[in-house]
Amino acid sequence: GQNIDQPTEMTATEGAIVQINCTYQTSGFNGLFWYQQHAGEAPTFLSYNVLDGLEEKGRFSSFLSRSKGYSYLLLKELQMKDSASYLCAVPSGGSYIPTFGRGTSLIVHP
Amino acid sequence: EAQVTQNPRYLITVTGKKLTVTCSQNMNHEYMSWYRQDPGLGLRQIYYSMNVEVTDKGDVPEGYKVSRKEKRNFPLILESPSPNQTSLYFCASSPQRGRITDTQYFGPGTRLTVL
Repeated sequence: GQNIDQPTEMTATEGAIVQINCTYQTSGFNGLFWYQQHAGEAPTFLSYNVLDGLEEKGRFSSFLSRSKGYSYLLLKELQMKDSASYLCAVPSGGSYIPTFGRGTSLIVHP
Repeated sequence: EAQVTQNPRYLITVTGKKLTVTCSQNMNHEYMSWYRQDPGLGLRQIYYSMNVEVTDKGDVPEGYKVSRKEKRNFPLILESPSPNQTSLYFCASSPQRGRITDTQYFGPGTRLTVL
């Protein structure tokens, strides 16, 4: 089975830091993905976590706690172009094919 | 350039008129899939294929068909479209083989309206 929960919408100010949370329940864990999707465009890969801890990639970092079924995406030094939907995806039930959460719409304002 | 292409990008059709949305990838990926995306519901998988001649249902397969006769192509067929199939459709591919989770590369999307 599979259940992924993310906030529907968040707002933040340009230059600030924002944390987007994702909680999941799955009977077998094979990693967690974060994708970015601008309105009307295709999702693009941001990060993949399979071990606990923080993975940093420029302004974006992703954290995973397998014991808590929890991940977050941290965006620093926010820019207007970061306004997008952020999708958490987890392979379900021991498979290797990700199921997507409903996404978090991030609005960055000046 | 490595990419996933879809055609058409936009389509308006009428109920019951069969249509096919093509998807092609030039990365020699074994895994391909189709998603639909609707407001408030996120990305939902329709069908996927682990390799040539191997296809499986995703979460919302009703009203859709697929085929995988060649590795690069994975067309989505709507035999008798209905208005509730109005949606944004994405094709994706991945180098994933068997027991390895890998990132997916998405096509640009096809916006379908069924009147």
